[in-house]
Amino acid sequence: AQSVTQLGSHVSVSEGALVLLRCNYSSSVPPYLFWYVQYPNQGLQLLLKYTTGATLVKGINGFEAEFKKSETSFHLTKPSAHMSDAAEYFCAVTLGGGGADGLTFGKGTHLIIQP
Amino acid sequence: DTGVSQDPRHKITKRGQNVTFRCDPISEHNRLYWYRQTLGQGPEFLTYFQNEAQLEKSRLLSDRFSAERPKGSFSTLEIQRTEQGDSAMYLCASSFTNNEQFFGPGTRLTVL
Repeated sequence: AQSVTQLGSHVSVSEGALVLLRCNYSSSVPPYLFWYVQYPNQGLQLLLKYTTGATLVKGINGFEAEFKKSETSFHLTKPSAHMSDAAEYFCAVTLGGGGADGLTFGKGTHLIIQP
Repeated sequence: DTGVSQDPRHKITKRGQNVTFRCDPISEHNRLYWYRQTLGQGPEFLTYFQNEAQLEKSRLLSDRFSAERPKGSFSTLEIQRTEQGDSAMYLCASSFTNNEQFFGPGTRLTVL
């Protein structure tokens, strides 16, 4: 079974500062990893994903994440925060290889951008 | 718009009533997923279809929950004899592979 831990239910950064949202996972098999963003009263939008290959993945809106197998981590970063980045962010894991499995999500991190 | 759609967006019901939600996936997607999201939590996987076959349903929360996808296109999620604890956002997602799931806007259920 997989699990996801997101450290920090709330993260506050100043506009223009570095954004770092932490995600650690556990999985008995090589995982596929995802970051989703959710704006109030909306569904989830995929920011980026890691399946295989390059461990540094780039996503939309200037976000990127690095898969570190030795640390079982998949932290999300953005060099310079923008007010429009304020939202809820979810890290998720699923089994790799195309098996029939839903996503296992973390509890989410609420990102607050201070002007 | 060719995204995932869900209907209704909001549903208020009284305890003990049955409710049914509909999900229309992206047309070429053969996989369809249902999730439940409660306040302050991440989505929780409930069930999964590949075409019309329900390949995973052990994660449905109780026997009051059931889902169908009769022709491999749209899907319905039914909750019988609703309880106040069923109040949540119910999300549907679809995919062509398991690499990337596209989510709908959700149906918010309030049980009074």
